[in-house]
Amino acid sequence: DQQVKQNSPSLSVQEGRISILNCDYTNSMFDYFLWYKKYPAEGPTFLISISSIKDKNEDGRFTVFLNKSAKHLSLHIVPSQPGDSAVYFCAASGHNNDMRFGAGTRLTVKP
Amino acid sequence: GAGVSQSPSNKVTEKGKDVELRCDPISGHTALYWYRQSLGQGLEFLIYFQGNSAPDKSGLPSDRFSAERTGGSVSTLTIQRTQQEDSAVYLCASSFQPQGITDTQYFGPGTRLTVL
Repeated sequence: DQQVKQNSPSLSVQEGRISILNCDYTNSMFDYFLWYKKYPAEGPTFLISISSIKDKNEDGRFTVFLNKSAKHLSLHIVPSQPGDSAVYFCAASGHNNDMRFGAGTRLTVKP
Repeated sequence: GAGVSQSPSNKVTEKGKDVELRCDPISGHTALYWYRQSLGQGLEFLIYFQGNSAPDKSGLPSDRFSAERTGGSVSTLTIQRTQQEDSAVYLCASSFQPQGITDTQYFGPGTRLTVL
């Protein structure tokens, strides 16, 4: 069962514009959410996280928004840079600490 | 290096053979996870070790898959009688989780397994 879904397999944006990556989850027991970034032939690297007690967390160009009632979170990158081009995975974790990942969204930022 | 390491980086095997994949987590990290990423798929949780507790094996796809973590450090994922659908990148991650509190996971580079 796919408890975490990223419905857009790819996204293309122009350099300098905003990138918005979306993620939906089904399990209401999830209480911690993360975004990972993955370059080819490398393992995912942690980007930003948010606890279910918050609805927004910001770190530099990256902001994660959480809408618990809609079971939806999004990652905003502004301004987007060509180096941001990668696959972005959304992940969610609950009390048992095992983490579920979405299928990923490939972001391409065009110069 | 201070990161998570995995070996081998690539493994090609014949259908029906057994394979062992190794993960060296970051020193001091109490939690260790195995995931796999099949072509075009997201990261699929396989198994989770936390300290000396019994592992959470709920993600293992079949009884051909097993994993152990010796001395609370190095972990080995074993796949017996490999099948072509086992072909994937197997990723290991570790995190520092005192008292089981969720914390950021740091990933290794993965082992690309190809079953012919």
